Amino acid sequence: DQQVKQNSPSLSVQEGRISILNCDYTNSMFDYFLWYKKYPAEGPTFLISISSIKDKNEDGRFTVFLNKSAKHLSLHIVPSQPGDSAVYFCAASEGNFNKFYFGSGTKLNVKP
Amino acid sequence: DVKVTQSSRYLVKRTGEKVFLECVQDMDHENMFWYRQDPGLGLRLIYFSYDVKMKEKGDIPEGYSVSREKKERFSLILESASTNQTSMYLCASSSDRGQYFGPGTRLTVT
Repeated sequence: DQQVKQNSPSLSVQEGRISILNCDYTNSMFDYFLWYKKYPAEGPTFLISISSIKDKNEDGRFTVFLNKSAKHLSLHIVPSQPGDSAVYFCAASEGNFNKFYFGSGTKLNVKP
Repeated sequence: DVKVTQSSRYLVKRTGEKVFLECVQDMDHENMFWYRQDPGLGLRLIYFSYDVKMKEKGDIPEGYSVSREKKERFSLILESASTNQTSMYLCASSSDRGQYFGPGTRLTVT
């Protein structure tokens, strides 16, 4: 059973608008969350992270929100750009960095 | 900058062949990981290692083994490749900031 779920396999957004990617998890012991971006034929690259002591972390156009009570996190990209088109994975760990659990990914398409 | 390299970007092997996938990281990380990525299934952990000569099974270890003789190198071995092992294989190493991935190896088993 997947402990980290991304229920939207794809998302299409107009350039300049906001992209919101969602992720749900089941394990309340997870305390560190990450988002990765992956282009075809490349490995995932780290985008942004958040620990469970925070509910928001911002880095430029990217903001991650964490709702611990709902076991939900989201990635907001504002404004979206065509170069953001990629597959986005969320991941979670229990903080010891020995094991990360990944969602199945959401393919974002930003239309010019 | 963390660098994780994988020995091959693309590999084609026949059913029954023994396959070695090599991964090297240059940041002295203790933890290293092997995943496979398949459409709709995300990244699934095959094996990980938290120290030299130490290994732990991930979620899908069947049909795979690993070797960690040196800290910087983590090898994934398919003892007898099968067509259902056709996949993208990703190696990663980790620090307290997260995991850093190699470029991946697209393995096709015919």
